[in-house]
Amino acid sequence: EPEVTQTPSHQVTQMGQEVILRCVPISNHLYFYWYRQILGQKVEFLVSFYNNEISEKSEIFDDQFSVERPDGSNFTLKIRSTKLEDSAMYFCASSDSLAGGETQYFGPGTRLLVL
Amino acid sequence: AQSVTQPDIHITVSEGASLELRCNYSYGATPYLFWYVQSPGQGLQLLLKYFSGDTLVQGIKGFEAEFKRSQSSFNLRKPSVHWSDAAEYFCAVATNYGGSQGNLIFGKGTKLSVKP
Repeated sequence: EPEVTQTPSHQVTQMGQEVILRCVPISNHLYFYWYRQILGQKVEFLVSFYNNEISEKSEIFDDQFSVERPDGSNFTLKIRSTKLEDSAMYFCASSDSLAGGETQYFGPGTRLLVL
Repeated sequence: AQSVTQPDIHITVSEGASLELRCNYSYGATPYLFWYVQSPGQGLQLLLKYFSGDTLVQGIKGFEAEFKRSQSSFNLRKPSVHWSDAAEYFCAVATNYGGSQGNLIFGKGTKLSVKP
């Protein structure tokens, strides 16, 4: 069964450093998402992406964040200058539609720890 | 604003017992509702979803959920729990209204433990 993959599974970084989280969505999907879950809190939407541009972003997704689809398979989330509060589990998801009811398939997540 | 509440943070049931996980949502129109499960080290796996029609939906692994508009609820049930069901369960709502183009709003999750 096709699945979303994410690398790395864990990342430790120093505050102020840049990190890039990588995702390989399901191959025929066209819509991509990033969510995050701070420990003990809800999974929160960050951004959705379609046709090489951001479709929607939450207020969490500020100028420190960017997303990119550098080639036909990868979808990346970059945090330019990490802060302690960026420590969280980051989930990538993909779907074959942007409609509200379409299933989003999630990857296993990248656990980011900012020291 | 849309929101999802899962009032139970942690539930423990005995293997073979029935299970009900509660979920309440806040949204003006009929939402799209989902239940996801997350096992340790795994991603979020879709158990079932509700769009419209029959208010009782069947999912994978023997789970079902019932949409009750009058109670703004979408509770997840399973008649007989297996030890492998121990995981964290997330209720989520998606809207296609007001600019929320399909992003999911999650509850805080309910962690299920299963006693032998």
